[in-house]
Amino acid sequence: RKEVEQDPGPFNVPEGATVAFNCTYSNSASQSFFWYRQDCRKEPKLLMSVYSSGNEDGRFTAQLNRASQYISLLIRDSKLSDSATYLCVVLSSMEYGNKLVFGAGTILRVKS
Amino acid sequence: AAGVIQSPRHLIKEKRETATLKCYPIPRHDTVYWYQQGPGQDPQFLISFYEKMQSDKGSIPDRFSAQQFSDYHSELNMSSLELGDSALYFCASSLVRGFTEAFFGQGTRLTVV
Repeated sequence: RKEVEQDPGPFNVPEGATVAFNCTYSNSASQSFFWYRQDCRKEPKLLMSVYSSGNEDGRFTAQLNRASQYISLLIRDSKLSDSATYLCVVLSSMEYGNKLVFGAGTILRVKS
Repeated sequence: AAGVIQSPRHLIKEKRETATLKCYPIPRHDTVYWYQQGPGQDPQFLISFYEKMQSDKGSIPDRFSAQQFSDYHSELNMSSLELGDSALYFCASSLVRGFTEAFFGQGTRLTVV
């Protein structure tokens, strides 16, 4: 079983739709959680950090449930430009340094 | 703001040759991660360094080695290149303290022919 699991999709949605992605992680001692966005053959870019209290940035809302070891990302009013791969990333502390683990990514395709 | 710098951006090598990829982290970042991403795949963790010492090792072939230097830049050395090594290689940097996010360089696209 992978440390971080995501539904690979693709999610094909029309413009204006609301779409939600889920991610589960296995290391209960993980400290930080992030959603990254990756466009085709480009580097992953931080979309938002995820906090237990939930956080919102415009059309994007992220939520963390530590008890269930579950992270979510909600995108409202989808735009064509939201089409990308969304990567769930979990950071854990090690004896020396930190460990950054990626999910396989969820593909989103927004169509007009 | 300064970002993570990777060089070269593109590299073409023949089978059995060697390649060296460089990564310059964001100033004051103490951690560097290396990832390999093949076509249609998610980034696969290779190796990481914290304060110039190896902190974690992933699926890095024995033909590859890496190190972090005193100025915190890192180099990934790849020998006896194989066709299957063709991929995008990303470097990311972060600060250990605060468990903060990592920032990625634009990657090096390696093609082995």
